[in-house]
Amino acid sequence: KQEVTQIPAALSVPEGENLVLNCSFTDSAIYNLQWFRQDPGKGLTSLLLIQSSQREQTSGRLNASLDKSSGRSTLYIAASQPGDSATYLCAVMDSNYQLIWGAGTKLIIKP
Amino acid sequence: GAGVSQSPSNKVTEKGKDVELRCDPISGHTALYWYRQRLGQGLEFLIYFQGNSAPDKSGLPSDRFSAERTGESVSTLTIQRTQQEDSAVYLCASSSLPAGGTDTQYFGPGTRLTVL
Repeated sequence: KQEVTQIPAALSVPEGENLVLNCSFTDSAIYNLQWFRQDPGKGLTSLLLIQSSQREQTSGRLNASLDKSSGRSTLYIAASQPGDSATYLCAVMDSNYQLIWGAGTKLIIKP
Repeated sequence: GAGVSQSPSNKVTEKGKDVELRCDPISGHTALYWYRQRLGQGLEFLIYFQGNSAPDKSGLPSDRFSAERTGESVSTLTIQRTQQEDSAVYLCASSSLPAGGTDTQYFGPGTRLTVL
């Protein structure tokens, strides 16, 4: 059974710092891995999608990596801003085309 | 019901026609999400309902898309004047916690929409 774990559960850093969020999964048989952000009281915003054959994806200040063999992904945020404050969710699409979600990392960027 | 159900499972329509997709969430789940997934692409958020609060419509791609939900029951997603780029699998999910929580989202089987 696929399980997705995100560490840390919460993170608070000063504005301007670079930071890394971690996601691990137990079964390497995935189609893709996605990172989302969730703002309080809102739906999800898709940030990055990494196909199982890819190693990383970049969008602006965000970079996500995928090491399928070790069951790990990281989301790197460069030069953090207060607007980056949100909950970041990692999800893998398993062999049944179901999304399995991590519990999220709540990120607070202090001005 | 045991899980989230969606209907129809497949829908083929002609360009310009309207379509309505239905989602029955798990009983008691207050949160309901609509997503779509185009072939080879990731999940794309469309709209989120939480109880009786105003829905988060920020993901709807155009004003041809609309969705309704009455209370904590069935939701319908309507696409007017369908275009070929609307072809996708439309997924519905429900969870027992509001979006700010981290409860598991349970997905329905999806509706595969093909616009000719």
